[in-house]
Amino acid sequence: GAGVSQSPSNKVTEKGKDVELRCDPISGHTALYWYRQSLGQGLEFLIYFQGNSAPDKSGLPSDRFSAERTGGSVSTLTIQRTQQEDSAVYLCASSISRGPGGSPLHFGNGTRLTVT
Amino acid sequence: AQTVTQSQPEMSVQEAETVTLSCTYDTSESDYYLFWYKQPPSRQMILVIRQEAYKQQNATENRFSVNFQKAAKSFSLKISDSQLGDAAMYFCAYRSRNTGNQFYFGTGTSLTVIP
Repeated sequence: GAGVSQSPSNKVTEKGKDVELRCDPISGHTALYWYRQSLGQGLEFLIYFQGNSAPDKSGLPSDRFSAERTGGSVSTLTIQRTQQEDSAVYLCASSISRGPGGSPLHFGNGTRLTVT
Repeated sequence: AQTVTQSQPEMSVQEAETVTLSCTYDTSESDYYLFWYKQPPSRQMILVIRQEAYKQQNATENRFSVNFQKAAKSFSLKISDSQLGDAAMYFCAYRSRNTGNQFYFGTGTSLTVIP
């Protein structure tokens, strides 16, 4: 597709359940990022993938959060045993690793997660 | 780690007027990139404008321009002839040219455009 695609657009889950959020980056973009945005807040970095390198997981808030990127393309963010404080919009973005003009991030529309 | 500060949580502007959103950052690097992103209620983050630190000339994109003051580590966004569609959250972001691929975002400024 032309842009970054995220699914589902919205997800409502019960506390304690596991959820999977999907991100399909722009073709050819080697870098992929996950961010979390709580209501009215800024962007909180979660994890970053670059090609075949080990991901930068420094932003993951707890061991309930994990992410993988298969074949250097699609990424899945998994939250286990969801808590109410996990409710937020989860944004995925991709970019060319090194390119002209600073290789800006291209964002998806996000997944709004609501934990009841 | 670099920090990006947006000191104006909320701003408002009359339609057709000009507004300036402020952004400052802290870095010891000399070469980097700066960006402004717009996030309307639809949630889609859209790149508004970018600036390369080694370029002295301020970037301009139609009604959007920046005032880049490298020594002061300031990167403000000016929106001219404001339109109702400009209403959104605006985020300033920093990216190192040399060290890794991390982006650092400010906390955002919510812009209201008054008809």
